[in-house]
Amino acid sequence: GIQVEQSPPDLILQEGANSTLRCNFSDSVNNLQWFHQNPWGQLINLFYIPSGTKQNGRLSATTVATERYSLLYISSSQTTDSGVYFCAGTSGTYKYIFGTGTRLKVLA
Amino acid sequence: SQTIHQWPATLVQPVGSPLSLECTVEGTSNPNLYWYRQAAGRGLQLLFYSVGIGQISSEVPQNLSASRPQDRQFILSSKKLLLSDSGFYLCAWSVYSGRRHPGELFFGEGSRLTVL
Repeated sequence: GIQVEQSPPDLILQEGANSTLRCNFSDSVNNLQWFHQNPWGQLINLFYIPSGTKQNGRLSATTVATERYSLLYISSSQTTDSGVYFCAGTSGTYKYIFGTGTRLKVLA
Repeated sequence: SQTIHQWPATLVQPVGSPLSLECTVEGTSNPNLYWYRQAAGRGLQLLFYSVGIGQISSEVPQNLSASRPQDRQFILSSKKLLLSDSGFYLCAWSVYSGRRHPGELFFGEGSRLTVL
């Protein structure tokens, strides 16, 4: 099965800073999603982005499927952005495989 | 609109006791259904998935089992819990959207299990 690697594993930012999170896949992916897990454990859908670029407010994501990676950009970070960010994808099956996550802490 | 419900939200069980977690999806038909487990501070591990009633695919050999008695109902069970079964269990659904596209994945609120 596919392997999903996320970097960096941990990130600490001051409020207002920008950041880029990366997701690498060992094989081609047909679907790619980004999630934010808040401190209560809830997984919130950020982007469903098999390819191309999408933006939603201060967040944007880019997937380059042919090169097997995706990037999540967070601009002007806020304390509410804290939590764990996961990417997940499938590779010709119904199985969504998750990366190990990036733990983000935004300091006021 | 579609919604997904999981229960119970929290439970504390002794080692060796049985387990039943239930997940129900509303507002869609023939969803793909998934059970994931998350150990403390770790990523999500796929346990089971189902693409139709009675169809269960197991990803990790263990003392857990899953069943799908109805189209939008997914149940995770164990006959005898182990300490290592502690964790955060998440149910998820997607709707098939074409060849090689299982559709966007959506999660329930999760069930936090502590085995003592």
